[in-house]
Amino acid sequence: AAGVIQSPRHLIKEKRETATLKCYPIPRHDTVYWYQQGPGQDPQFLISFYEKMQSDKGSIPDRFSAQQFSDYHSELNMSSLELGDSALYFCASSLSGSNYGYTFGSGTRLTVV
Amino acid sequence: AQKITQTQPGMFVQEKEAVTLDCTYDTSDQSYGLFWYKQPSSGEMIFLIYQGSYDEQNATEGRYSLNFQKARKSANLVISASQLGDSAMYFCAMFLGRYSSASKIIFGSGTRLSIRP
Repeated sequence: AAGVIQSPRHLIKEKRETATLKCYPIPRHDTVYWYQQGPGQDPQFLISFYEKMQSDKGSIPDRFSAQQFSDYHSELNMSSLELGDSALYFCASSLSGSNYGYTFGSGTRLTVV
Repeated sequence: AQKITQTQPGMFVQEKEAVTLDCTYDTSDQSYGLFWYKQPSSGEMIFLIYQGSYDEQNATEGRYSLNFQKARKSANLVISASQLGDSAMYFCAMFLGRYSSASKIIFGSGTRLSIRP
C-alpha cells in the first residue's frame, strides 16, 4: 500500500540557509500535518492543512512557512536556519471523516551546521 | 488542558515475556482517539494500534493489545511474547474529536523499551 512519502530523507544545511521539505500524502488523504521532533524529544505539532487550507497551527516559528498544493502534496519552507532547527521533521496524512488513519512518513532528518 | 503522560522513561524485558507500557491521558472532551506508535532507532514513526473513545472493546492488532480503561483515563499497550525487534521508543498519542479531520495529535514523552535475549 502507498505510504506517506517525504523527501529528502536527510538534509544538511548551514546556519542562515533555507531548506524546503516535501511531503506526498497517501492518495485520497485530504489532510496533511507537520511535526518537529528534536533529539530525545517527543514530536511537536507545527501546522496542518485540510483541503489546501491551513487548518491548525502549533509552535511553528515565523521563519517557517508551509502550504498544500492542488495535488495535495505539502512543502515546509524553513528560512534563516538556526542550529536549534536540527531535528527530525515528520509529515502525516489522514482522511477527514475517518476515525483513524493517521499515517506518518519516514521523516526528514535536518542537520544545521 | 489535554495531556498524555507516560511514566516509564525506559524498560528492560526478557525476550518472549509480555510487557505493558503505561499511558494516561487528560482531556475533558468526550470524543477522542488514542494511538500507540513505535519509533525504532532508524527514526520512522510506525503505527501500532488505535482506540476510539466510543469503542467498547479493547483494540487488538496481532501481538499488540490496548488495555483501555476509560474511567481511569488510561490506555496501556500490552505486547505479548516480546521479540528482539520490539526494542524501540514507544509513544502514546491522542487526537481530539470523533474524526481525524484536521485534528492534531499530541504525544507523550515516550518509553524506551529494550528487549534482552
